[in-house]
Amino acid sequence: NAGVTQTPKFQVLKTGQSMTLQCAQDMNHNSMYWYRQDPGMGLRLIYYSASEGTTDKGEVPNGYNVSRLNKREFSLRLESAAPSQTSVYFCASSYDLTYEQYFGPGTRLTVT
Amino acid sequence: KQEVTQIPAALSVPEGENLVLNCSFTDSAIYNLQWFRQDPGKGLTSLLLIQSSQREQTSGRLNASLDKSSGRSTLYIAASQPGDSATYLCAAETSGSRLTFGEGTQLTVNP
Repeated sequence: NAGVTQTPKFQVLKTGQSMTLQCAQDMNHNSMYWYRQDPGMGLRLIYYSASEGTTDKGEVPNGYNVSRLNKREFSLRLESAAPSQTSVYFCASSYDLTYEQYFGPGTRLTVT
Repeated sequence: KQEVTQIPAALSVPEGENLVLNCSFTDSAIYNLQWFRQDPGKGLTSLLLIQSSQREQTSGRLNASLDKSSGRSTLYIAASQPGDSATYLCAAETSGSRLTFGEGTQLTVNP
């Protein structure tokens, strides 16, 4: 039982490049989330998926897209990376909305 | 807009001490409040979740309380150990399934 897994763990991009961050959970959870963590800003919600087939914007969605591929997987895509997107990205899941959230180990992204 | 504040930002205590971490939030219309632990370079580990209808939750040496009317939660750690050293984050869940996080309290327990 791996919980929430994220790939890659580290990534360096040049401005304008694109990439997809992958997230998977094996807890049969319905809801999944993407957060970013920045010094002095705390963790902020980017997008979330209440259930398979639905996605909604969080607090800071600009510059990102998401796909809920199936119940297990929720990906985050940066179409044209910017230095302001340098951050640590966390994926989380919960049985349903308002239930306890479980976090993955994070992806450390640097955009130069 | 919900705002969550944690005081103090950092705390250093000797091993064995009982301690309290504070969390305050501006909007009392919350579904729940969660406490997390984050070790350096790692993800978040959920410690306790208090539903809005509850007053407290306990897990081992940890006890979290919630006072919605005053917009406060506390995390009490009994008999602290060096392994408790980490950053502790609280997060309030409001409508739209939004967890609003505080910036955390960095705890160091000295042997």
